[in-house]
Amino acid sequence: DAGVTQSPTHLIKTRGQQVTLRCSPKSGHDTVSWYQQALGQGPQFIFQYYEEEERQRGNFPDRFSGHQFPNYSSELNVNALLLGDSALYLCASSYGQGYNSPLHFGNGTRLTVT
Amino acid sequence: DAKTTQPPSMDCAEGRAANLPCNHSTISGNEYVYWYRQIHSQGPQYIIHGLKNNETNEMASLIITEDRKSSTLILPHATLRDTAVYYCIVRVPTTSGTYKYIFGTGTRLKVLA
Repeated sequence: DAGVTQSPTHLIKTRGQQVTLRCSPKSGHDTVSWYQQALGQGPQFIFQYYEEEERQRGNFPDRFSGHQFPNYSSELNVNALLLGDSALYLCASSYGQGYNSPLHFGNGTRLTVT
Repeated sequence: DAKTTQPPSMDCAEGRAANLPCNHSTISGNEYVYWYRQIHSQGPQYIIHGLKNNETNEMASLIITEDRKSSTLILPHATLRDTAVYYCIVRVPTTSGTYKYIFGTGTRLKVLA
């Protein structure tokens, strides 16, 4: 039973460019959340997708956008990259909205902006 | 907007119990406490969660005070592989009917041989 998978594992981009990160949730999960983790900090919530809609958003600018597909996989897009966007981007999946379902995390995508 | 406070670091001797405290004094009645740990270069791993009763599973025990303002994660027999950053998290219901997990800065646990 595959867990949460993310691609790519590492990425280097230049300031001003755009990036797309991908996530496949754990089998049976229908909800995907994205987190940004700066070095030495705890993960910060970006947004959550359920039924192909953004359901909740953290304190991140509109440069951060996402999408969820009918198979529950998800993408995170970041436009106009800044040096401060360098971080580990984590995807987490869970089941349902009203259930007591723990988040399952992938191992993240390490994004470096130069 | 972290709702939890944890000591930044702790040491524990191998084979001894590791007791990791967490303060969540502003927690509301329907907010769960979750614990995760993160080993370097990996995603956070779920450990245990609870609302108001003490919980135990194969990894750890969770003790929540009666007033729910604090909790303690207990690793009964710490091993070197338990060296990690441990996050105490409050799961907050949102206005859209979903949940948001708010991470703090965690406790860096070092298990010493």
